[in-house]
Amino acid sequence: GAVVSQHPSWVICKSGTSVKIECRSLDFQATTMFWYRQFPKQSLMLMATSNEGSKATYEQGVEKDKFLINHASLTLSTLTVTSAHPEDSSFYICSAYQGQDITDTQYFGPGTRLTVL
Amino acid sequence: DQQVKQNSPSLSVQEGRISILNCDYTNSMFDYFLWYKKYPAEGPTFLISISSIKDKNEDGRFTVFLNKSAKHLSLHIVPSQPGDSAVYFCAARDFGNEKLTFGTGTRLTIIP
Repeated sequence: GAVVSQHPSWVICKSGTSVKIECRSLDFQATTMFWYRQFPKQSLMLMATSNEGSKATYEQGVEKDKFLINHASLTLSTLTVTSAHPEDSSFYICSAYQGQDITDTQYFGPGTRLTVL
Repeated sequence: DQQVKQNSPSLSVQEGRISILNCDYTNSMFDYFLWYKKYPAEGPTFLISISSIKDKNEDGRFTVFLNKSAKHLSLHIVPSQPGDSAVYFCAARDFGNEKLTFGTGTRLTIIP
């Protein structure tokens, strides 16, 4: 199956700093990439959808100025958590979607554990 | 509003037996359904999917059944193996929309 990587796999930062998470599709070009967050024992909550070369579409309740998304190429999207606070601590997961036909699915990265002190 | 629901947060099954995970949805516009498996601190792994034009799809030990009238789908794993222990999420998508709506997950534990 398709491979999606994320970097870093975990990060600890101080409150007020910014953290960048990278998501790469390694063996296919992704028309769309998605960013999710997951709190312990909860479902995956979609934060935003990003398409290469255009602005990301954020879900209701997600602050676009706090969670900056850049989709620089068909294989790379980045999520920057700006001025992170302890409540931003979570597990962030990206997925990549090739989007060539209706049966295409999203392939997920391994996730990034963010802890804000 | 939880459009995709997995009412059983956990399930324990003896090794070798059949595991049945259930999922209900409310949005009649959903036409494509997927099951993902997730280990702790990892991203979900795609398992199997089904289009709304079918009522069954099988792939090895995994079979997904779809009952459109009841807005219900289930994942059958047989025989269950210890490596199947994980959290299973069902997800749904409506035609022309690449976004997935996930259920809350069911933690499956296979007892050796």
